[in-house]
Amino acid sequence: NAGVTQTPKFQVLKTGQSMTLQCAQDMNHNSMYWYRQDPGMGLRLIYYSASEGTTDKGEVPNGYNVSRLNKREFSLRLESAAPSQTSVYFCASRGAGANVLTFGAGSRLTVL
Amino acid sequence: GENVEQHPSTLSVQEGDSAVIKCTYSDSASNYFPWYKQELGKRPQLIIDIRSNVGEKKDQRIAVTLNKTAKHFSLHITETQPEDSAVYFCAASIGDYKLSFGAGTTVTVRA
Repeated sequence: NAGVTQTPKFQVLKTGQSMTLQCAQDMNHNSMYWYRQDPGMGLRLIYYSASEGTTDKGEVPNGYNVSRLNKREFSLRLESAAPSQTSVYFCASRGAGANVLTFGAGSRLTVL
Repeated sequence: GENVEQHPSTLSVQEGDSAVIKCTYSDSASNYFPWYKQELGKRPQLIIDIRSNVGEKKDQRIAVTLNKTAKHFSLHITETQPEDSAVYFCAASIGDYKLSFGAGTTVTVRA
């Protein structure tokens, strides 16, 4: 039982390049989330998907897009990466009727 | 949206002493308050949570208190041990979908 799996774990991009962070969960959870973690700023919600087929903006959505591909997968895309998007990105999921967020291991992204 | 402030940002305690972290929230409609622990290089994990209809909750050496009137909640760790060294995040949410996190407290337990 893998839980929440994120890929890649590390990525270095040049300004203006695009990339997609992948996230998959095998717990049959309805809700999925993307957070970014920056020193001194905690975890900030980028986008979330309350259920399959829906997505909504969080606190810091600018520069990102998401796709809830199916119940298991929720991807985060950077169309034109900027140095301000250098961060650690965490995917998380939550089951229906439950409160606990289960996080993935994180993806460290550096934009030069 | 919800705004969660967390203090202190760093906390150093002697092993065996207690540690207290305090958070305030802005939206009186918030009704769920979890605490997550993140060890160095690891993912955040839930350690304890409380709902707005409860004033206090304990789990072994960890306790959380909630003051709805003042809109603040606190994490108390007693008899601290080296394995309690980590970053702790408080959070608040209205309903179940969106958690707003505090900036985190780095706790160091000195042997």
